[in-house]
Amino acid sequence: SAVISQKPSRDICQRGTSLTIQCQVDSQVTMMFWYRQQPGQSLTLIATANQGSEATYESGFVIDKFPISRPNLTFSTLTVSNMSPEDSSIYLCSVSLRVGEAFFGQGTRLTVV
Amino acid sequence: GDSVTQMEGPVTLSEEAFLTINCTYTATGYPSLFWYVQYPGEGLQLLLKATKADDKGSNKGFEATYRKETTSFHLEKGSVQVSDSAVYFCALTTYGNKLVFGAGTILRVKS
Repeated sequence: SAVISQKPSRDICQRGTSLTIQCQVDSQVTMMFWYRQQPGQSLTLIATANQGSEATYESGFVIDKFPISRPNLTFSTLTVSNMSPEDSSIYLCSVSLRVGEAFFGQGTRLTVV
Repeated sequence: GDSVTQMEGPVTLSEEAFLTINCTYTATGYPSLFWYVQYPGEGLQLLLKATKADDKGSNKGFEATYRKETTSFHLEKGSVQVSDSAVYFCALTTYGNKLVFGAGTILRVKS
C-alpha cells in the first residue's frame, strides 16, 4: 500500500489568486495522478505527473491553468491558477502500485469566493 | 471514449437489507474493473477488483462479478450495516493506471 499526505486539507481563496497543493507519498512511485471532484460529481483526471518529464494533461485541462511539478519520486504539486468560483472542488492526488489499484490522498477541499 | 454508468443515489436501506448498486461500462479495450469506496471524511480506497471476464471480486462482504456479455460489474452485499454508509464508485482502466470513474452512488444505511 501507499500512504499519501496532501496539504492543505482545505482552503478558501479569493478569485484571481493561485493555490498550490502538495502531495507527499511514503514510497517512490513512477506516476502520480491529479484528479478533480466537483460538488456532487465523480472524479475527473486532470493530469498524470511523471518524474523528470512534463505532465500529461487530459482533454479540457491546460498547463497554464494547472501547472504541475514533480521534482522527485515521492512528491508533486498542483497549482490552481487565477482561480474562479468554478474551480471550487476537491482536488485529489493518487498513485498506483499495480494496474488500477490506486491510492488516494484525503484531498484538498477548495472554495473560491 | 471509455465510460462508466452507475445507478443514481442516494440509496437508503435498513440494516441487514440486501444491497445492489448497478454499474455498466463501455470500453474500447478489455478493461479491468474496480469498486472504490469513500467513507465520510476519508479518502477513496479500493474495495474490490476484477481483471477478466467471470472474475468475482470480494472484500468485507461485498461482491461484484465481471460480466463481459452484459458489460456490467454490479456491487452486492447480502446484509448491510450502518458502517457501510459511504459513497461507492465504480471504475475501469484499459490503459495502464488511468482510471475512469462513474458518478458515485451514496449509500445510507439506517439502524
